[in-house]
Amino acid sequence: GAVVSQHPSRVICKSGTSVKIECRSLDFQATTMFWYRQFPKQSLMLMATSNEGSKATYEQGVEKDKFLINHASLTLSTLTVTSAHPEDSSFYICSARTGTTNEKLFFGSGTQLSVL
Amino acid sequence: GQNIDQPTEMTATEGAIVQINCTYQTSGFNGLFWYQQHAGEAPTFLSYNVLDGLEEKGRFSSFLSRSKGYSYLLLKELQMKDSASYLCGYGGSQGNLIFGKGTKLSVKP
Repeated sequence: GAVVSQHPSRVICKSGTSVKIECRSLDFQATTMFWYRQFPKQSLMLMATSNEGSKATYEQGVEKDKFLINHASLTLSTLTVTSAHPEDSSFYICSARTGTTNEKLFFGSGTQLSVL
Repeated sequence: GQNIDQPTEMTATEGAIVQINCTYQTSGFNGLFWYQQHAGEAPTFLSYNVLDGLEEKGRFSSFLSRSKGYSYLLLKELQMKDSASYLCGYGGSQGNLIFGKGTKLSVKP
């Protein structure tokens, strides 16, 4: 299947700093990428939908000024957690869609964020 | 998850068969997905059902009834490596996936 690369896999940062997470589709063009967050023993919760060249669509309750999403090219989307706090500590994971149907949706390897 | 339910935990014996049920409610439906997720890893795709009926892929099968808002994942000949969380999700109207909370399956010897 298609490969989605997510970096870094793990990051530890101090409270108040910003962290950038990258999501790349390595062998296909991803017109749409999705960002999810998963707290321990919880499900994946959709944070935002990112379309190349346009503003991301955020789910209810997700602060767009705190979680900045950029999708400047067909192979790269970034999520920046600004002014991180301990409650932002979570597993963040991206997914990318290869075509127009839901069937072709592939996930990155995830980023474990720990905010001290 | 949003309007999607599945059991929190299940336990089964190696070599046995286990069925994980999932119910959902949504106005915009674009298929039902099952993913497997080992702790600390990304989910991996297992199956996709868009029409009613049973889809079989080796040891794993998935069933869908759209009228009942119901799906199940059937795992046969269980192996220890099948111990994982199994996520049920439906395709939303915007091309995303809405996931349930996942079912943690423990396979015992």
